[in-house]
Amino acid sequence: ETAVFQTPNYHVTQVGNEVSFNCKQTLGHDTMYWYKQDSKKLLKIMFSYNNKQLIVNETVPRRFSPQSSDKAHLNLRIKSVEPEDSAVYLCASSYRVNTEVFFGKGTRLTVV
Amino acid sequence: GDSVTQTEGLVTLTEGLPVMLNCTYQTIYSNPFLFWYVQHLNESPRLLLKSFTDNKRTEHQGFHATLHKSSSSFHLQKSSAQLSDSALYYCALRSGSFNKLTFGAGTRLAVCP
Repeated sequence: ETAVFQTPNYHVTQVGNEVSFNCKQTLGHDTMYWYKQDSKKLLKIMFSYNNKQLIVNETVPRRFSPQSSDKAHLNLRIKSVEPEDSAVYLCASSYRVNTEVFFGKGTRLTVV
Repeated sequence: GDSVTQTEGLVTLTEGLPVMLNCTYQTIYSNPFLFWYVQHLNESPRLLLKSFTDNKRTEHQGFHATLHKSSSSFHLQKSSAQLSDSALYYCALRSGSFNKLTFGAGTRLAVCP
């Protein structure tokens, strides 16, 4: 099966903890993304990686950092989570510019 | 920067009536790509339609949209709403040389019997 796979599906953690989310795509795409979907369902891009190079880095807090080992993997680490980080984090991938993105099922983070 | 504006909030329709969800965009680039994504409950967004050709209608799964660069619009339409169309719909814009998709705020469509 070719798709975008994310783990974990859900994660509950306390303020100040560190969390990591994994994402793998088997679509053969060359670009991967992390999006944040907040409680109002707004979709905001956080990071974009093309051939292991960060090409878009929106003004996200420094505690967020993407990590990529190859073009099929893009993980997201959050150091010292805060309550406003509670959201669904969607990983996505695409092939080349100006094509559609394919989303994973998301990781729902709850910070208590 | 790029921006996308959609019909705000919730659109409620009776089954069988036509669907029209508005989408307008702003970009300084002349060759925008426009997309409609649909997100059903507890699922991730998936592509519904896409277009980069001016004034050409694109169709999929009963929905259609036409990119009009003159009015910077890409409205989503369907002739007859079905209960299964109830979902969150996002209009999205990709333009310029940046590998970024800019999403609108989303429009929730609720179709009632």
